[in-house]
Amino acid sequence: TQLLEQSPQFLSIQEGENLTVYCNSSSVFSSLQWYRQEPGEGPVLLVTVVTGGEVKKLKRLTFQFGDARKDSSLHITAAQPGDTGLYLCAGALDTDKLIFGTGTRLQVFP
Amino acid sequence: DARVTQTPRHKVTEMGQEVTMRCQPILGHNTVFWYRQTMMQGLELLAYFRNRAPLDDSGMPKDRFSAEMPDATLATLKIQPSEPRDSAVYFCASGLAFRSKDLTYEQYFGPGTRLTVT
Repeated sequence: TQLLEQSPQFLSIQEGENLTVYCNSSSVFSSLQWYRQEPGEGPVLLVTVVTGGEVKKLKRLTFQFGDARKDSSLHITAAQPGDTGLYLCAGALDTDKLIFGTGTRLQVFP
Repeated sequence: DARVTQTPRHKVTEMGQEVTMRCQPILGHNTVFWYRQTMMQGLELLAYFRNRAPLDDSGMPKDRFSAEMPDATLATLKIQPSEPRDSAVYFCASGLAFRSKDLTYEQYFGPGTRLTVT
């Protein structure tokens, strides 16, 4: 059973454009993490959000945790080719087990 | 620069053969995870250990998969016998869970073992 749905599944954009990736679930999570994975590598943690409504910024990336802690979004401003990769959200269900989302594959063209 | 290491990086084997994948977690981390990633299923948790003791292996097919931590510097995932449906990238990750039950600690992933079973 897939608990975390991400949209869109694929995204191809030009350098300089903005984009938003969504992560949705019917389950409530104690925390939610966003990872980026590049080809041939393991996922790398970008951010952890814990509180409902929380917003965190990491340079051009803005992460938001839904008020009900069931959903999250990742917004990238002025995307660059270096942002290319697979973006994964992962929710913690009151244990240290993470449930990973379906993933969004982003391609940013110069 | 502390990293999780995994060996081998690639493995091609025939159906029915035994496969052993190894992971060296980051020194000092007390929790080790095994994940499997496929295009169809995404990233799935197979098993994890805390202080070398198995805490959960409910994601792992018990009849053919086994996971162990012979010591704090080595985790192994074994498949016997292997089947074509086991073809995937297998990731090991480690993290440091604090006594205060902080559930938001970071997991550091290794580069993965790409397994192909023909």
